[in-house]
Amino acid sequence: EAGVAQSPRYKIIEKRQSVAFWCNPISGHATLYWYQQILGQGPKLLIQFQNNGVVDDSQLPKDRFSAERLKGVDSTLKIQPAKLEDSAVYLCASSLVEGTLFSYEQYFGPGTRLTVT
Amino acid sequence: SQQGEEDPQALSIQEGENATMNCSYKTSINNLQWYRQNSGRGLVHLILIRSNEREKHSGRLRVTLDTSKKSSSLLITASRAADTASYFCATRGNTGFQKLVFGTGTRLLVSP
Repeated sequence: EAGVAQSPRYKIIEKRQSVAFWCNPISGHATLYWYQQILGQGPKLLIQFQNNGVVDDSQLPKDRFSAERLKGVDSTLKIQPAKLEDSAVYLCASSLVEGTLFSYEQYFGPGTRLTVT
Repeated sequence: SQQGEEDPQALSIQEGENATMNCSYKTSINNLQWYRQNSGRGLVHLILIRSNEREKHSGRLRVTLDTSKKSSSLLITASRAADTASYFCATRGNTGFQKLVFGTGTRLLVSP
């Protein structure tokens, strides 16, 4: 079974530039997550999709970050304009079912390491 | 803010020894999960324990949960160099679409 795919793996940009990350979840996984992981910290959820609807985006800095999941499959996360503090690894994950009371394991992609200079 | 706090922040042991990591959290949970992260395989789910469970085993892993103390522990027995990684606990609340909240992690180094 193919895992969660992400691209690019690495990206270096200057502050105030824009950047986009792409994620393809495991086939059949209805729930997709984007996390930000700053060096030395645990992942922090930015946005969660159930099919192509947003379930939680309470920690997404909406003035500069946007995400979409067209047709309930692939997803893109965009940052515009980027700031120095956005330097982090951006992880995409998917899970098979997201019930209201149960949590199933999440499968993570390899991540995109973003450096903002 | 992150709910789970792992202890210790870093742990260094020899192969064959046991490694114990602890996680404390603040609010009621539906379940608690442990994940491992290393450069080779990224972030991988290890084990999930529900709030009504007290102990769970998976291979060389043993997880305990004490909801009265809001704490969990992960024991890795007979550790191997390949266990070198960062270990995170993650908690999910018990209402609605509660997000998974990761702790700060324990960095484990297993020396041959």
